[in-house]
Amino acid sequence: SAVISQKPSRDICQRGTSLTIQCQVDSQVTMMFWYRQQPGQSLTLIATANQGSEATYESGFVIDKFPISRPNLTFSTLTVSNMSPEDSSIYLCSVRGFEAIYFGEGSWLTVV
Amino acid sequence: GQQLNQSPQSMFIQEGEDVSMNCTSSSIFNTWLWYKQDPGEGPVLLIALYKAGELTSNGRLTAQFGITRKDSFLNISASIPSDVGIYFCAGQLFEGAQKLVFGQGTRLTINP
Repeated sequence: SAVISQKPSRDICQRGTSLTIQCQVDSQVTMMFWYRQQPGQSLTLIATANQGSEATYESGFVIDKFPISRPNLTFSTLTVSNMSPEDSSIYLCSVRGFEAIYFGEGSWLTVV
Repeated sequence: GQQLNQSPQSMFIQEGEDVSMNCTSSSIFNTWLWYKQDPGEGPVLLIALYKAGELTSNGRLTAQFGITRKDSFLNISASIPSDVGIYFCAGQLFEGAQKLVFGQGTRLTINP
C-alpha cells in the first residue's frame, strides 16, 4: 500500500481565514482524491485531483471554496477558503493504489 | 445519488463474541471495501472484494461480496479490545472516476 502523509495533522483556524492542506505520497499514483469527514459522520468525496488539469468536484463542492492543486503524480494540496465553523472537519487525502484505495491519517481542522 | 445503508449503526458486545455488520445498496458496485477508523486516525483498509460471491478473510475478519453486487457483510470472530473503532463499508461504482461511496459506519464497543 502507498504511504500517504498529510500536513498539517491538526489546526485551529480563525473564521474567515484559509488553510492549505498538503498530501504527499511515497510513490506515483494515477488518482488522488480529497474527502471530508464531518464530526461523527461518514466520509464524503470533495473532488478528484487531476494531474495537470482542474480538479473534478462532486455535487455540493465548488472550486472557489475548495481549490485543489496537483502539480505531479505524488503531491496535491486542498485549500479550505474563507472558513466558517461548519468547515470544522477531518480532511482526508486518498489515493488509488494497486489493489484498492488508501487514506492518509487526515487533517483535523477546527474553525473558531 | 448512490447510497450505502450500513447496519447496525452501533454495537455493544462482550469480549470474545463474534460480530457481524453489513451494507446494502440499490446500486451495483464493482468493488466493495471495508475500512476501520480508530480515534484520531484515518481509515485503514481491512479487506477488498472484487468479484460477486467472493469470500475473503484477513485473520479474524471475513467479508463477502454479495452475488447481486448490491451488498456485502463483514464478520469479526472472537472479538478483542483492539477491535474497538468505527467500521465503514465503501463501494466503488462501475461508472465514473473510481470514487468511493461510503456507508454511515458501525461503531463497535467492547466490554472487557
